[in-house]
Amino acid sequence: QKEVEQNSGPLSVPEGAIASLNCTYSDRGSQSFFWYRQYSGKSPELIMSIYSNGDKEDGRFTAQLNKASQYVSLLIRDSQPSDSATYLCAVRASWGKFQFGAGTQVVVTP
Amino acid sequence: EAQVTQNPRYLITVTGKKLTVTCSQNMNHEYMSWYRQDPGLGLRQIYYSMNVEVTDKGDVPEGYKVSRKEKRNFPLILESPSPNQTSLYFCASSPQGPVGYTFGSGTRLTVV
Repeated sequence: QKEVEQNSGPLSVPEGAIASLNCTYSDRGSQSFFWYRQYSGKSPELIMSIYSNGDKEDGRFTAQLNKASQYVSLLIRDSQPSDSATYLCAVRASWGKFQFGAGTQVVVTP
Repeated sequence: EAQVTQNPRYLITVTGKKLTVTCSQNMNHEYMSWYRQDPGLGLRQIYYSMNVEVTDKGDVPEGYKVSRKEKRNFPLILESPSPNQTSLYFCASSPQGPVGYTFGSGTRLTVV
């Protein structure tokens, strides 16, 4: 079992709709959680971080964390074609151990 | 400009020929890490470092070496590269604390 799991997609989302991405992790001691966006051929870019249970909003992005269920999600509201990318969930379990899921490809269709 | 700089961007080499991929950051970050990215497998951590002379293995350290003699530099060494090390490599750094990594632009390595 992988330590950070994501659906690989592709997730097809109509322009203007909400994209919902999910991530589960296995290490109960994990303390910090991140979402990265990666365009094809580019490096990962940090878009959201969340540390406590509940929701955190930043513009069109909302991250949700449920430590009891070991579950992190990302909502992208009003999806735009520029949101088409692979979204990587990352979990920091200790000072250096920083693990990624395999990523979910999102395709926003006009 | 705050950044993580990797060199080279592209490298084609032959099996067994030692190589080094350099990584440097100008943000005075304590933590640095190397990842490889392969289709379907995502980003896998190779090695990470908390500070000068403090390094530890990640999930896929076999066939790689690192050193951290200066805070800003964290080179990745492949002493005897093999074709299964053909991959896209990323260096990353972060300050101390529960924060995310900032990534370099990547090095695409092909071993033939």
